[in-house]
Amino acid sequence: QKEVEQDPGPLSVPEGAIVSLNCTYSNSAFQYFMWYRQYSRKGPELLMYTYSSGNKEDGRFTAQVDKSSKYISLFIRDSQPSDSATYLCAMNVGGSEKLVFGKGTKLTVNP
Amino acid sequence: KAGVTQTPRYLIKTRGQQVTLSCSPISGHRSVSWYQQTPGQGLQFLFEYFSETQRNKGNFPGRFSGRQFSNSRSEMNVSTLELGDSALYLCASSATTSRGSETQYFGPGTRLLVL
Repeated sequence: QKEVEQDPGPLSVPEGAIVSLNCTYSNSAFQYFMWYRQYSRKGPELLMYTYSSGNKEDGRFTAQVDKSSKYISLFIRDSQPSDSATYLCAMNVGGSEKLVFGKGTKLTVNP
Repeated sequence: KAGVTQTPRYLIKTRGQQVTLSCSPISGHRSVSWYQQTPGQGLQFLFEYFSETQRNKGNFPGRFSGRQFSNSRSEMNVSTLELGDSALYLCASSATTSRGSETQYFGPGTRLLVL
């Protein structure tokens, strides 16, 4: 079983839709959870960072962590064509720089 | 503040050769991590350096090595290149806090093609 599982998609939605991206993990020692966005031929860009269970909102993005279920989500409201990218979840154990990534979900938002 | 920079951006090498990639972290960041990204395996952790010392290492063969200089700049080296080493190599830098580092910021990567 991989430490982090993420549905690779691809996911295609119309502009304005609400997008839900999810990851599950098996290592209960993970404490920090991140979402990165990666455009083609670019490095990953940090979108959201969370530490505790619950929700964290930043503009159109909401990150949700459920440590009891080992499940994290990223919601994108009012999706835009510019949101078309691959979204990667990542997590690590406190005090360690080693990030463990999901495989990424490729999202396309159609105008 | 300038972001993480990586050089070169693109490289073509042949099997058996060696390659050195360079990374300059965000000013003030002392931790530098390296990752390999391939379509099949995704992003995988190679190693992390802090204050010129390797603190963490991933599950890669000894052909992959790195170092960090006193100005926090880092290099990684791959010797005896294999076709499977073709990948995007990403560098990430982070600042440390009292709880340890919390966020990593990635550079644009070096795309290596091994022929």
